[in-house]
Amino acid sequence: DQQVKQNSPSLSVQEGRISILNCDYTNSMFDYFLWYKKYPAEGPTFLISISSIKDKNEDGRFTVFLNKSAKHLSLHIVPSQPGDSAVYFCAASIVGNQFYFGTGTSLTVIP
Amino acid sequence: ETGVTQTPRHLVMGMTNKKSLKCEQHLGHNAMYWYKQSAKKPLELMFVYSLEERVENNSVPSRFSPECPNSSHLFLHLHTLQPEDSALYLCASSQDWQATETQYFGPGTRLLVL
Repeated sequence: DQQVKQNSPSLSVQEGRISILNCDYTNSMFDYFLWYKKYPAEGPTFLISISSIKDKNEDGRFTVFLNKSAKHLSLHIVPSQPGDSAVYFCAASIVGNQFYFGTGTSLTVIP
Repeated sequence: ETGVTQTPRHLVMGMTNKKSLKCEQHLGHNAMYWYKQSAKKPLELMFVYSLEERVENNSVPSRFSPECPNSSHLFLHLHTLQPEDSALYLCASSQDWQATETQYFGPGTRLLVL
């Protein structure tokens, strides 16, 4: 059974608007979360992370929010740019153990 | 350039063939990983090597055989595969085998088993 779920396989957003990608997890023991971005024909690249002691982490246009009570993670991209068009994967782990990945959300930013 | 390379990028093989996937990392990392990504499924961790020793093996069928001759190279030897093994195989590396360490991925090998 999947422990990390991304229920939206795709998302389209106008350039300049906010993109919100969502991720849900089932294991309340997870204490470290991250987002990867993947372009076609390339491997995933690390984007941003957050530990369970925080509820928000920001890096430029990218902000990750963590709601532990809801077991929910989201990635906000503001403002969205055409170069952000890619597949975004969330992943979760218990520190010292393996990561569990979601199935990915394909983001298209429309110019 | 992620510093992790994989060859070949594409591979078509029959069920009776034997082939190997190669991964090389140029980052000086101590841990290397094999992942499998099937269509519409999450990345699945297959094997983890830390300092050339296998530390994780997630119930992978024996038709997949990993080899880590040194900390820079990782192989996945394939034999008598099944069509359902067709997938994208990703290699990754990280500084150490700790879940807080960022993993750097290669571009993957797209495998088709006929």
